[in-house]
Amino acid sequence: DGGITQSPKYLFRKEGQNVTLSCEQNLNHDAMYWYRQDPGQGLRLIYYSQIVNDFQKGDIAEGYSVSREKKESFPLTVTSAQKNPTAFYLCASIKDKSSYNEQFFGPGTRLTVL
Amino acid sequence: KQEVTQIPAALSVPEGENLVLNCSFTDSAIYNLQWFRQDPGKGLTSLLLIQSSQREQTSGRLNASLDKSSGRSTLYIAASQPGDSATYLCAVRGEYSSASKIIFGSGTRLSIRP
Repeated sequence: DGGITQSPKYLFRKEGQNVTLSCEQNLNHDAMYWYRQDPGQGLRLIYYSQIVNDFQKGDIAEGYSVSREKKESFPLTVTSAQKNPTAFYLCASIKDKSSYNEQFFGPGTRLTVL
Repeated sequence: KQEVTQIPAALSVPEGENLVLNCSFTDSAIYNLQWFRQDPGKGLTSLLLIQSSQREQTSGRLNASLDKSSGRSTLYIAASQPGDSATYLCAVRGEYSSASKIIFGSGTRLSIRP
């Protein structure tokens, strides 16, 4: 089964902790994305990566960091510098070198700060 | 800067009705537009993708149209069913913006009354 997996499904963080959210895809997609979704709002782009070892900041990158060491994996770290991290986090990917360019999403991780 | 708007934010209709969801965007230089469905607490499921050169796409009871010149897209749902209840989001990929940046609307929460 091809798709995008995110883990964990639920994550609880204490004040001052860094936490890492996992995103893995076996679709052989080139570009990967991290979005944040707050209640009643659309998706806001945190970071995206078009190729391995390269990534760009989105609209709300402050307090977050990413890496892209493998094509299949794009983990997101929520650092203690992120003041309001409680949200639903979604990972997505696109086969960028394709004329179709349909974006696919994982099931999401809900992060709660205790 | 591209802005994507979906009005209304919520819509309730009786089962069996045909309905139209709206998506408007401010910059007509788009690469493609994608419609998604999101169930509560879940990731996004792709419904239809329209390339900038296309006018419409159809899948089953769903039909999406695109009018670049007026900055509008509509998602038509025929013979609505309670299972269609979900939040529907549109997303626009810019033609001249950073290659992989995608902008989302805030969504329309659809409720189908049995």
